[in-house]
Amino acid sequence: DSGVTQTPKHLITATGQRVTLRCSPRSGDLSVYWYQQSLDQGLQFLIQYYNGEERAKGNILERFSAQQFPDLHSELNLSSLELGDSALYFCASSVGGTSVDEQYFGPGTRLTVT
Amino acid sequence: QKEVEQDPGPLSVPEGAIVSLNCTYSNSAFQYFMWYRQYSRKGPELLMYTYSSGNKEDGRFTAQVDKSSKYISLFIRDSQPSDSATYLCAMRDQGAQKLVFGQGTRLTINP
Repeated sequence: DSGVTQTPKHLITATGQRVTLRCSPRSGDLSVYWYQQSLDQGLQFLIQYYNGEERAKGNILERFSAQQFPDLHSELNLSSLELGDSALYFCASSVGGTSVDEQYFGPGTRLTVT
Repeated sequence: QKEVEQDPGPLSVPEGAIVSLNCTYSNSAFQYFMWYRQYSRKGPELLMYTYSSGNKEDGRFTAQVDKSSKYISLFIRDSQPSDSATYLCAMRDQGAQKLVFGQGTRLTINP
């Protein structure tokens, strides 16, 4: 158990809908990262927050947004969902926001768009 | 061409064998190299973390980095059925926040 929690575990929704994925980092970690894992693309970095501020952005679609709250939990919002958004979404956390910090992954949220 | 290439396998070996998993990369700025293990329907779990070139050993696991060849390896000695999982290499450069992952190699250890 990494100490990173994600809810929900599974989500099934229809195209065009909007969903929110939630992540709580390990105790003491200030950085939260979001990744998408699909069969064809593998694990892809989406976005990072450090202590409430956006720190780095990856291959995140404009339909997706995220935020980190004062209690350091983070939410990833996915809107206007398409079939291709079906994937595993992982949250990771680290103590700081630097490249030397180890990232610990949560169990993921499996999103199915029908 | 992807920044990080990893043979997806699948790789199947008998229990007790030495397993070698590899990744190549194209970005010479990568400085930090990691191996993650991912069991089915679980999140990736950090196994090994190395900085720059060299070897690092942890129990039955050894990670090697050869920056001159842009090649990293993970060796598993005395492999066990519990080692059956997908192994992902990951790396990043100095100052970067994001990890760049390989596709993952699916490994099965047969009793």
